Amino acid sequence: ETAVFQTPNYHVTQVGNEVSFNCKQTLGHDTMYWYKQDSKKLLKIMFSYNNKQLIVNETVPRRFSPQSSDKAHLNLRIKSVEPEDSAVYLCASSQGTDYTFGSGTRLLVI
Amino acid sequence: GDSVTQTEGLVTLTEGLPVMLNCTYQSTYSPFLFWYVQHLNEAPKLLLKSFTDNKRPEHQGFHATLHKSSSSFHLQKSSAQLSDSALYYCASLMNTEGADRLTFGKGTQLIIQP
Repeated sequence: ETAVFQTPNYHVTQVGNEVSFNCKQTLGHDTMYWYKQDSKKLLKIMFSYNNKQLIVNETVPRRFSPQSSDKAHLNLRIKSVEPEDSAVYLCASSQGTDYTFGSGTRLLVI
Repeated sequence: GDSVTQTEGLVTLTEGLPVMLNCTYQSTYSPFLFWYVQHLNEAPKLLLKSFTDNKRPEHQGFHATLHKSSSSFHLQKSSAQLSDSALYYCASLMNTEGADRLTFGKGTQLIIQP
């Protein structure tokens, strides 16, 4: 099956902890993304990664950092999580105008 | 700047009635528009995308027409089904900082009642 796979599905953690989410795509796409879907269902891009070029949304706090080993993987690390980081984090990949999303990682910060 | 606007946050309809979800856009260049549908706890999935040759895309009974004169790409269906209840996003492919990225509207929650 070709798709975008995210782990874990859910994660609950306390304020100040570090978390890391994984994303893998088996579609052979060149570009990957992280989006944040907040409690109001707003979908905002955080990062895009293409050919080792990282493009950062400047509104993303510095505690967030993407990590990529190859074009099929794009992980997301959050150092010292804050309550406002509670959201669904969606990974996506694209080739041309074809975008495919993963099912998301739901983060709850308590 | 470039943006996508969905004016309705929530639309509630009775099964069998027509559906129309609004989407307008602002774009510096010729736009490429999409509709995505997201069911509860699932990934957003592509429903439709605009064509460059003015064809009207259709999928699962839904259709949308890109009107450059009114900067719109409204989603329509002639008869709503219970299974259409979901979150619908209009999106545009925009070029920011030299890279294309998909930018979403705020989303419209569609609830179909029996």
